[in-house]
Amino acid sequence: GDSVTQMEGPVTLSEEAFLTINCTYTATGYPSLFWYVQYPGEGLQLLLKATKADDKGSNKGFEATYRKETTSFHLEKGSVQVSDSAVYFCALMNSGGYQKVTFGTGTKLQVIP
Amino acid sequence: EAGVTQFPSHSVIEKGQTVTLRCDPISGHDNLYWYRRVMGKEIKFLLHFVKESKQDESGMPNNRFLAERTGGTYSTLKVQPAELEDSGVYFCASRAGTKNEKLFFGSGTQLSVL
Repeated sequence: GDSVTQMEGPVTLSEEAFLTINCTYTATGYPSLFWYVQYPGEGLQLLLKATKADDKGSNKGFEATYRKETTSFHLEKGSVQVSDSAVYFCALMNSGGYQKVTFGTGTKLQVIP
Repeated sequence: EAGVTQFPSHSVIEKGQTVTLRCDPISGHDNLYWYRRVMGKEIKFLLHFVKESKQDESGMPNNRFLAERTGGTYSTLKVQPAELEDSGVYFCASRAGTKNEKLFFGSGTQLSVL
């Protein structure tokens, strides 16, 4: 079945540091890939997505590129801020069937001033 | 536009008791999902409604869990009787039509079974 593996946290960075959160997936067919973010006390929000190979999703300074050859969708940001502190979830939605979304374990990011 | 709302935000019950969680999706969203996250692990799919019909309930852990969506509007998830391993955060999400991939999540219900 479909699965998503992302790096374990927590990740602690200083403000303005470079961020990478690794995500790899296993799926049949051609899934769409997502990063969701959960800020403290809130529900998950879609951060960015990519629907086909080599697509780059971007939002709020975050980027991720759909790499079919390595089945990866790593999240990056060049300069993190304290306000980026949250839990980040990598996810996929397969194109067939019931379009169920499969999530990774989440990576907690803490940015310190 | 109101988002997905879940009630209660927290629930603490004893093993063997019954708890009912409620989710109000965004108005007009036919697709409603229940997910659960246990102790920092991955968010696991429980089930998917399309309107009032259960499209996929392959993630429901056992028959102690019962989900309903009467009239295709709000949904309830009942756990009866609750066990310790049912503790976790229960998320509800909704999505418009089949061609729209974006899920809108509620803030979740933190369930603690003691």
